[in-house]
Amino acid sequence: DAGVIQSPRHEVTEMGQEVTLRCKPISGHNSLFWYRQTMMRGLELLIYFNNNVPIDDSGMPEDRFSAKMPNASFSTLKIQPSEPRDSAVYFCASSLSGPEAFFGQGTRLTVV
Amino acid sequence: GENVEQHPSTLSVQEGDSAVIKCTYSDSASNYFPWYKQELGKGPQLIIDIRSNVGEKKDQRIAVTLNKTAKHFSLHITETQPEDSAVYFCAASTGNYKLSFGAGTTVTVRA
Repeated sequence: DAGVIQSPRHEVTEMGQEVTLRCKPISGHNSLFWYRQTMMRGLELLIYFNNNVPIDDSGMPEDRFSAKMPNASFSTLKIQPSEPRDSAVYFCASSLSGPEAFFGQGTRLTVV
Repeated sequence: GENVEQHPSTLSVQEGDSAVIKCTYSDSASNYFPWYKQELGKGPQLIIDIRSNVGEKKDQRIAVTLNKTAKHFSLHITETQPEDSAVYFCAASTGNYKLSFGAGTTVTVRA
């Protein structure tokens, strides 16, 4: 099993640009999570999908953030427009229902 | 919501010694307690978990204990090795999808 696959691993972009992060969950898992990790706030849940449907997006910081899951094997997290304070490591995780989550390697985003 | 506190924030141990990390939680409804290990540049890796119907679980050199009355749980690593150096996170969940994470413990194993 390849685990959760995220791309890109690193992204550097200029303020105001659109950024799209991608995730392929573990095959057969029906729950998908997007987390953000910063030194100040630790690991924060941004959004949770179950069976491709967004269930809880209360952690999405602003309208500049959006996430989609068009099918069971793909999800995107988009930031438009990006700001320097969005710089963080973004993780995608998946689970076979419930909280037992398996994380991807993350995308380190730097907005300059 | 759930509040998870983790101590210590850093821990340095001599190779071969034991390491213990402690966490407390606030929501008495929490019933699932995983531990994650995060190496530099990698994502958190689930290393062991425990559910509220047991008090202890072991897997080779790692063990987790749970005291539901006191609302705390601990990770024990025995015979530490250099590859155990990492950041360890505890978490708690009421069994739905939400994980509340501790702030992390940076463990350094000295050779």
